[in-house]
Amino acid sequence: AQSVAQPEDQVNVAEGNPLTVKCTYSVSGNPYLFWYVQYPNRGLQFLLKYITGDNLVKGSYGFEAEFNKSQTSFHLKKPSALVSDSALYFCAVRDQLSIGKSTFGDGTTLTVKP
Amino acid sequence: DTGVSQDPRHKITKRGQNVTFRCDPISEHNRLYWYRQTLGQGPEFLTYFQNEAQLEKSRLLSDRFSAERPKGSFSTLEIQRTEQGDSAMYLCASSLGDRTTNEKLFFGSGTQLSVL
Repeated sequence: AQSVAQPEDQVNVAEGNPLTVKCTYSVSGNPYLFWYVQYPNRGLQFLLKYITGDNLVKGSYGFEAEFNKSQTSFHLKKPSALVSDSALYFCAVRDQLSIGKSTFGDGTTLTVKP
Repeated sequence: DTGVSQDPRHKITKRGQNVTFRCDPISEHNRLYWYRQTLGQGPEFLTYFQNEAQLEKSRLLSDRFSAERPKGSFSTLEIQRTEQGDSAMYLCASSLGDRTTNEKLFFGSGTQLSVL
């Protein structure tokens, strides 16, 4: 079985400040980890993924995520937030042996205030 | 790349009626997925196709739900005898995969179903 937890329903940050959106996961094997973003009235869009190798993964729009195997976490980060980053963010996990099924967290709403 | 298309965008139906949704994936993508999303929740896996073969189906999916992907192109999701609990956003996604499972998913904008 695989699961994802996003412990914060909402994250508020001021523009220009660093942001972190938290994600922890559980899989029986080795994980593939993903972050997706959803803007209003638009489909989910891929941001970045972790497969193997370097624990710090860089993605679109200046986002990055850090994989921590011992803490089973994959937190999304950005050094300097923009108002346009305000959106709904989803973490997802897929067991490397589980073709097809990705399990998503319940999402975190990020609000960046000017 | 025209993206993943879903039709209709919105569907309102009465309880007990049958509904069918269509998904057109990105043309060269061999994998297609259906997810369901309710307010405040993340997408919940329903089923998955590789080409025309339905390889996985969620145990949460009742026998009122059926999905097809004839010829490995577009897909349809049918819900028979709809219930109010079926009200949700139905999302389709596609991907280009090989032996690995680490490819990213491309999502459509979804079909919002309301069962009255």
